[in-house]
Amino acid sequence: EIVLTQSPATLSVSPGDRATLSCRASQTVSSNLAWYQQKPGQTPRLLFYGASTRATGVPARFSGSGSATEFTLIISSLQSEDFALYFCQQYHRWPVTFGGGTKVEIK
Amino acid sequence: QVQLVQSGAEVQKPGASVNISCRASGYTFTDYYIHWMRQAPGQGLEWMGIIHPSGGSTSYAQRFQGRVTMTRDKSTSTVYMELSSLTFGDTAVYYCARVVMPAAGYDAFDIWGQGTMVAVSS
Repeated sequence: EIVLTQSPATLSVSPGDRATLSCRASQTVSSNLAWYQQKPGQTPRLLFYGASTRATGVPARFSGSGSATEFTLIISSLQSEDFALYFCQQYHRWPVTFGGGTKVEIK
Repeated sequence: QVQLVQSGAEVQKPGASVNISCRASGYTFTDYYIHWMRQAPGQGLEWMGIIHPSGGSTSYAQRFQGRVTMTRDKSTSTVYMELSSLTFGDTAVYYCARVVMPAAGYDAFDIWGQGTMVAVSS
């Protein structure tokens, strides 16, 4: 199965700063990668699919990029509501797999 | 609006089975595949399997083969996930989720159920 490795595991950022999250696949997933945001006690929220297609309602300060095995999620200027857990998912090959997540916390 | 509504929390004993429902509304039920995932406390997401609501075909993650069964009822727009031979390690929140694109089996998930907590306790 395709293993997704997210880094860093925890990212401490000040409000207004930029956050860069990485997701690396053990083999190519083409552009079949999604990013999700999850807050404590809530369900995951889709941010991007197709690596860079923004889901409905996702603010423009979020951007997704990458292909093959290297992917990046950037939050350009962190707002208070952005502090959460972020994880990636590949749907290129069975079985669907998820990364372990990056927790974005307030510095 | 488009939504998936899951059944309520469950407490089960080791060795028992649990059956969780996921009722769809606000869209054509048979047009979108549904997947099931679970998330153990403090852990990441684990994919369990997929069901095609139209034909009922399924595919399960290898680690759940023989223990999981996914079915659907088109008359009520509901999918079900039954997990048998429960162990303490099955304690988790279980989610159903709908794919983004119609007819796409493997895709991102834009609509999620609210989650069903399953606690396995003796």
